[in-house]
Amino acid sequence: DQQVKQNSPSLSVQEGRISILNCDYTNSMFDYFLWYKKYPAEGPTFLISISSIKDKNEDGRFTVFLNKSAKHLSLHIVPSQPGDSAVYFCAAAGNFGNEKLTFGTGTRLTIIP
Amino acid sequence: SQTIHQWPATLVQPVGSPLSLECTVEGTSNPNLYWYRQAAGRGLQLLFYSVGIGQISSEVPQNLSASRPQDRQFILSSKKLLLSDSGFYLCAWSVGQGGQPQHFGDGTRLSIL
Repeated sequence: DQQVKQNSPSLSVQEGRISILNCDYTNSMFDYFLWYKKYPAEGPTFLISISSIKDKNEDGRFTVFLNKSAKHLSLHIVPSQPGDSAVYFCAAAGNFGNEKLTFGTGTRLTIIP
Repeated sequence: SQTIHQWPATLVQPVGSPLSLECTVEGTSNPNLYWYRQAAGRGLQLLFYSVGIGQISSEVPQNLSASRPQDRQFILSSKKLLLSDSGFYLCAWSVGQGGQPQHFGDGTRLSIL
């Protein structure tokens, strides 16, 4: 049972344009959502997170939007740069008495120069 | 600052051989520790997590085991490797509660022949 889903395995965006990565979840008990970026043969790097009490969090070129009623979150990158080409994972956590993150399957973003 | 060390970076092992992957964290005390596996083209699968010395929670039944002999040391082991154990293994740490981000090592690429 995939509780966190990233339905787009890949996405290509022109350099300078906006990249929008989407993520859906099924468990309404999730309280926190995180985005990670991963280059090949490296560990994921934490990008940005959002608490369920907010609907937007911004950090530089990265903005995460959360729609709790739709159980949907998205990561916006603007403007997109060639170094943004990577696999992006969304993850979710809840107050379940442990500190587990549930990850999506990832979206490969390719920025076209 | 906190750092995480994971080794070896790559490993080629024959079927039926034992395995020991080591992960250590520096610069923090009493971290939560995690082992993940990323199979080819798949997302991150949580294998084990630990909230303290000697405390191990297993997420999926499998051919692997984990141990935490010291506060900042996490070891992934197997007595007899299977072909299906091939993959990219990642160690991660976090502190605190409430959706705190996990921070990953650079991973070990394990190939079983």
